[in-house]
Amino acid sequence: EDQVTQSPEALRLQEGESSSLNCSYTVSGLRGLFWYRQDPGKGPEFLFTLYSAGEEKEKERLKATLTKKESFLHITAPKPEDSATYLCAVQEGQGAQKLVFGQGTRLTINP
Amino acid sequence: SQTIHQWPATLVQPVGSPLSLECTVEGTSNPNLYWYRQAAGRGLQLLFYSVGIGQISSEVPQNLSASRPQDRQFILSSKKLLLSDSGFYLCAWSKGNTGELFFGEGSRLTVL
Repeated sequence: EDQVTQSPEALRLQEGESSSLNCSYTVSGLRGLFWYRQDPGKGPEFLFTLYSAGEEKEKERLKATLTKKESFLHITAPKPEDSATYLCAVQEGQGAQKLVFGQGTRLTINP
Repeated sequence: SQTIHQWPATLVQPVGSPLSLECTVEGTSNPNLYWYRQAAGRGLQLLFYSVGIGQISSEVPQNLSASRPQDRQFILSSKKLLLSDSGFYLCAWSKGNTGELFFGEGSRLTVL
């Protein structure tokens, strides 16, 4: 059975303190790995798609990387507005119905 | 640009009452549509998805049903709510076979 595990469950950082979130996965054939951001009481917002090991994507202070077994979401010099829950999802087959989501990492950036 | 609307945003219902959550997508045609539930401390659980009008696939046997009466309209229903139906319900759409989902704002359901 597909498994997606995110760590840590929660992370508190000071503004400007860089760190990384981890998403490890076990799938028989990865079709894509997706990162989403979710603010409290809102729906998730799509951030990145990664398809193959070695691939990297960047958006503002966020950079996502992918290996054969895990993905990292690096956050550089974060600001309080980066506080949110970050969700990782893996896709094994065709279609978003084949997505398996992790539990998320709740990130808090203190000013 | 594409937008997705979901309502109501908040709902408090007694056990045994019916439920209807609605979702519409604008700015695209023939989207794939999804209903997810997100319980506190748990991940997103796919409930239903649809690739076209009248085509509904259920992922988890439960007290809920879904319908797609129009291309860009997706409805989640229940005839009799259970306490365990409480949660945060999310509608989403995607184009084709991509895993890129675009979510609505969510509907918070509390069953008392």
